Amino acid sequence: SQQGEEDPQALSIQEGENATMNCSYKTSINNLQWYRQNSGRGLVHLILIRSNEREKHSGRLRVTLDTSKKSSSLLITASRAADTASYFCATKGSGGGADGLTFGKGTHLIIQP
Amino acid sequence: EPEVTQTPSHQVTQMGQEVILRCVPISNHLYFYWYRQILGQKVEFLVSFYNNEISEKSEIFDDQFSVERPDGSNFTLKIRSTKLEDSAMYFCASLLRGPLNIQYFGAGTRLSVL
Repeated sequence: SQQGEEDPQALSIQEGENATMNCSYKTSINNLQWYRQNSGRGLVHLILIRSNEREKHSGRLRVTLDTSKKSSSLLITASRAADTASYFCATKGSGGGADGLTFGKGTHLIIQP
Repeated sequence: EPEVTQTPSHQVTQMGQEVILRCVPISNHLYFYWYRQILGQKVEFLVSFYNNEISEKSEIFDDQFSVERPDGSNFTLKIRSTKLEDSAMYFCASLLRGPLNIQYFGAGTRLSVL
């Protein structure tokens, strides 16, 4: 698999349920970030977790990072219709400098009202 | 809230033509980036720019591409001779070097090469 692979590729749940998306990566990282993209729109930064952190919360978002397994998960609690979007994880390498982010293929989340 | 702005939102061009995509990064940011996203695919890094020079570039960023920060506020991506496969969304991002290391993205320019 490639760097920053998310699963599932698509997820459809009922409003109010929790949504969990996973991401795997291959190389060592400085941090891992999650972005949201509404259809045809730009990327909105959601949350960043550093390589020395294991869990982070922001509102209804909870991110975990397991560097030993090179994986991360994004949990959205109490989902809303407005959460319908594609979610991407992106890793920043540990090489320093102006590293570009490496994005995964994304999870398309659909919240059914 | 400061934001990255990109113009135009949609650019249509004929194959072989030159295009310039424009971006105004957040004013106090120091690092600038271009990414592209072919329809239905993942976002791919093209190039990063710092201190008026390219810091890093990907394999995609070949001799057909160039970047410039002509006037201290704009950051441009030029494609010299567009190909059909250059059709994509192009995103600009900027970053204020610091502990957060968050890249802020613009809304993108959709480039359609006919």
